[in-house]
Amino acid sequence: DGGITQSPKYLFRKEGQNVTLSCEQNLNHDAMYWYRQDPGQGLRLIYYSQIVNDFQKGDIAEGYSVSREKKESFPLTVTSAQKNPTAFYLCASSTGVAGLSGVLTFGAGSRLTVL
Amino acid sequence: DAKTTQPNSMESNEEEPVHLPCNHSTISGTDYIHWYRQLPSQGPEYVIHGLTSNVNNRMASLAIAEDRKSSTLILHRATLRDAAVYYCILRDQVQGGKLIFGQGTELSVKP
Repeated sequence: DGGITQSPKYLFRKEGQNVTLSCEQNLNHDAMYWYRQDPGQGLRLIYYSQIVNDFQKGDIAEGYSVSREKKESFPLTVTSAQKNPTAFYLCASSTGVAGLSGVLTFGAGSRLTVL
Repeated sequence: DAKTTQPNSMESNEEEPVHLPCNHSTISGTDYIHWYRQLPSQGPEYVIHGLTSNVNNRMASLAIAEDRKSSTLILHRATLRDAAVYYCILRDQVQGGKLIFGQGTELSVKP
């Protein structure tokens, strides 16, 4: 079945450590996104990529980094520069071709807790 | 980026219709209107989308105002499983790009 796989589902990190969240899709989608969600809040956009080897900052990119070396993969690194990284992280993908409606498909999320 | 405004919360009784409003007064002519919903501790799931005309699918209906500055998601018979946070967002069909989610509407359904 086609979909988006995020791993790990739960992750614990000590302060000062970098951590990388994996996001893989087999939907042949061009565009991929990373969102952050805090308890009781909506989704905030961290980074997005509309094509391989290209990505743009969202509204809260500071302290995060991404890469898009392959169409199916869009890993997110939470660096030690992110002051409050404990949150629920969601990856999504969509058709990115202009002229299409671009419905988003989301992964199940990764919950990061900083100890 | 065009933004949307939704009520923070709404209540409904089971098996009654629910109308969830969304205002998007700065919508451009190339923006699609998308609706998603999110259950606790899960990723959002797609509900419905439209451009200008009203749309129906197995989950819901989408009514779009003639001037496209507002839309309404209609759940014809609410069930307990419809209790979720519902998000209305705009997607530029030409540029795609940034997709900004607002706070959404938390729908509770009473038995």
